[in-house]
Amino acid sequence: GENVEQHPSTLSVQEGDSAVIKCTYSDSASNYFPWYKQELGKGPQLIIDIRSNVGEKKDQRIAVTLNKTAKHFSLHITETQPEDSAVYFCAATPNSGNTPLVFGKGTRLSVIA
Amino acid sequence: GAGVSQSPSNKVTEKGKDVELRCDPISGHTALYWYRQSLGQGLEFLIYFQGNSAPDKSGLPSDRFSAERTGGSVSTLTIQRTQQEDSAVYLCASSLGTRIQETQYFGPGTRLLVL
Repeated sequence: GENVEQHPSTLSVQEGDSAVIKCTYSDSASNYFPWYKQELGKGPQLIIDIRSNVGEKKDQRIAVTLNKTAKHFSLHITETQPEDSAVYFCAATPNSGNTPLVFGKGTRLSVIA
Repeated sequence: GAGVSQSPSNKVTEKGKDVELRCDPISGHTALYWYRQSLGQGLEFLIYFQGNSAPDKSGLPSDRFSAERTGGSVSTLTIQRTQQEDSAVYLCASSLGTRIQETQYFGPGTRLLVL
């Protein structure tokens, strides 16, 4: 089955700097990769996703890149703000069938003002 | 509109007791998922429903765990004879369609503490 590894487990950046979180996956059949943000006391919320037919996707300050050959994908947050502080989870799943999402263990991002 | 709601928000129970956790999905969402989040861990898939049926129960950790969904809406996750290792946040999510790649909308979770 799929296995998703996420690094780093914690990340501290100065406000305005960029943050990068990386994930690797094991199942070459996986081709859907969402990223979720979880604020304290709340459920995770989808912030961006990418499918394997593209290598990069951007949404304002957030971007995700995918390298299918190397089986890794990354979340990039530019011009970080204090409200970006949260736990971020990556996930992966094949596009076929009804295989559940497999999540990484999360990255706790702290943006220091 | 209303999002996914879960109740109770917090539950403290004694070892050996049974607990029921409730999830109200977004109206019209046909798929419903249960996950478990232990301290410092990712989200562990438990079970998902398409309508009232559960095609994949592979994530349920033991036969003490069961879930049902009635009327294609509300779902309950039941843990019998709770153990301390069951302490975790139980998250519910729903999605509009039945493809796993549909966006999943999460509730705030139920924090379960087994003493």
